[in-house]
Amino acid sequence: AQSVTQPDIHITVSEGASLELRCNYSYGATPYLFWYVQSPGQGLQLLLKYFSGDTLVQGIKGFEAEFKRSQSSFNLRKPSVHWSDAAEYFCAVFNTGGFKTIFGAGTRLFVKA
Amino acid sequence: EAGVVQSPRYKIIEKKQPVAFWCNPISGHNTLYWYRQNLGQGPELLIRYENEEAVDDSQLPKDRFSAERLKGVDSTLKIQPAELGDSAVYLCASSGGGNTEAFFGQGTRLTVV
Repeated sequence: AQSVTQPDIHITVSEGASLELRCNYSYGATPYLFWYVQSPGQGLQLLLKYFSGDTLVQGIKGFEAEFKRSQSSFNLRKPSVHWSDAAEYFCAVFNTGGFKTIFGAGTRLFVKA
Repeated sequence: EAGVVQSPRYKIIEKKQPVAFWCNPISGHNTLYWYRQNLGQGPELLIRYENEEAVDDSQLPKDRFSAERLKGVDSTLKIQPAELGDSAVYLCASSGGGNTEAFFGQGTRLTVV
């Protein structure tokens, strides 16, 4: 069965420091992968997506993610975190058979001054 | 272009009472999803519509949950009667043209007391 694992429930980084959020997926075929961000009381906003091609994808707000098939990973990175990046981040894989998005449990990012 | 619109944003009800949530998807999007997001977890699919047809309702608790999408546009999700465990955020999303990317509304936060 398809699944997404986000090993870190929460992460705290200092403002200006770099960030990497981990994501591992389980999927039999070439995955369609997403990262979403959810601010408190808000819906989900798409940060970036990977369908095929270049394994390093750029997203909004200065985020990028790298698809590594050999490690079944799709980690999210940002070189310099801003206080406004504090939110919940969800990695997701699209199940083409069921035509639905399967989400990880999320990683909550805290940013300290 | 307007995004996915949901109402109400918040709802507090007593257990055993009915409740309904409304969703207006992005214009032209044939696919509509209802997800439930429990506290500290990622969203989980309840039901997916293709136009007015519910093509995946396998995760919908049919004894108390119902949904409809008349005319293949707006959708309503109903719970009757509500239980304490139904407290969650209910997210509506839509996608179009066979696109795998889903656009989410801000959600309805339901509290059952």
